[in-house]
Amino acid sequence: GENVEQHPSTLSVQEGDSAVIKCTYSDSASNYFPWYKQELGKRPQLIIDIRSNVGEKKDQRIAVTLNKTAKHFSLHITETQPEDSAVYFCAASWGGGADGLTFGKGTHLIIQP
Amino acid sequence: EAGVAQSPRYKIIEKRQSVAFWCNPISGHATLYWYQQILGQGPKLLIQFQNNGVVDDSQLPKDRFSAERLKGVDSTLKIQPAKLEDSAVYLCASSGGRQGANEKLFFGSGTQLSVL
Repeated sequence: GENVEQHPSTLSVQEGDSAVIKCTYSDSASNYFPWYKQELGKRPQLIIDIRSNVGEKKDQRIAVTLNKTAKHFSLHITETQPEDSAVYFCAASWGGGADGLTFGKGTHLIIQP
Repeated sequence: EAGVAQSPRYKIIEKRQSVAFWCNPISGHATLYWYQQILGQGPKLLIQFQNNGVVDDSQLPKDRFSAERLKGVDSTLKIQPAKLEDSAVYLCASSGGRQGANEKLFFGSGTQLSVL
């Protein structure tokens, strides 16, 4: 089955700086890669996703890049703000959508004032 | 639009007791999922329903866990008997369920289970 590795487990950045979270996946058939943000005690919420036919996708301060050859994808957050503090999860699936999602272990992002 | 509803929000039980969780997906969503999220880890899929049929239950510990979605809408997940290692947040999620379509996963707030 699919295995998703996520690094780092904790990331602390100064407010206004950029943050990068990296994930690798094992199954070359995976074709859908969402990112979820989970604030303390709340539900995971989808913040951005990318499909295997696209190399990069951007939404305001958030971007995701995908390298199919190397089987890794990354989340980039620019101009970080205090409300970006949360746990971020990457995931991968072969089904093109919500089916068969395997999640990484999460990255705790801390924005230092 | 109403989100995925779950209850209870918290549950504390002793080991070997039984417990049940309830989920109501987003209206019109055909696919319903139960995930287990252990502290410090990502969600792990336990079972997936398409309408009232099971699509994937390969990671469900069937000796103690059971789930049903009898009318294809709301669902119940049960643990009997509970073990200490079952302490986790149980997340319900739903999606539109159209195979191959651009379907996204929406989570409920979860039930935090503590087994003492």
